[in-house]
Amino acid sequence: GAGVSQSPRYKVTKRGQDVALRCDPISGHVSLYWYRQALGQGPEFLTYFNYEAQQDKSGLPNDRFSAERPEGSISTLTIQRTEQRDSAMYRCASSSGGGTGNTIYFGEGSWLTVV
Amino acid sequence: GQNIDQPTEMTATEGAIVQINCTYQTSGFNGLFWYQQHAGEAPTFLSYNVLDGLEEKGRFSSFLSRSKGYSYLLLKELQMKDSASYLCAVIGGRGSTLGRLYFGRGTQLTVWP
Repeated sequence: GAGVSQSPRYKVTKRGQDVALRCDPISGHVSLYWYRQALGQGPEFLTYFNYEAQQDKSGLPNDRFSAERPEGSISTLTIQRTEQRDSAMYRCASSSGGGTGNTIYFGEGSWLTVV
Repeated sequence: GQNIDQPTEMTATEGAIVQINCTYQTSGFNGLFWYQQHAGEAPTFLSYNVLDGLEEKGRFSSFLSRSKGYSYLLLKELQMKDSASYLCAVIGGRGSTLGRLYFGRGTQLTVWP
């Protein structure tokens, strides 16, 4: 697509439910990143992929968070047994290379509210 | 660990010049980005520096000194629409940090008429 597309844009869920956030990167982009951004803060790295391989997941807060990119294109970030502290903006980004100098483009984000 | 510091807030008047500083300490270095983010919107790319020196692009310029772990973003002829958060971000370059982008907290710039 023309830009990084994320869905849903807004999600309200009850504590304890699982949520899945979807990211469709720019067509042909090799690298895909997930970030979390709190109000007034810079994006916080969660994980990233080159093609379908998850290169670094050290930013995932705990084992309730997981991500996949099975065919090297669309990615899903899944949060199991959501907690109120998971409420945040989740941003996906993509780039054409391995991230070492290729511009990283961000999507509009998915606002998650856990009630 | 990784540490990126930038001022929290800055103010300036329309038509003026403002310099936003960023210092960083990271394990490995593969380049530094500046992003602009308006409230409620996605960050948008402004500049990328990997070598020492000044990169100029219209009203915006970015400078890098790798030996000092220091960068600045220079905005000239400020306009009201430049009011936004400016994010400094570094690409790590060693082991598992390769390709991982570390962001500062952002500098909220307010431009007054």
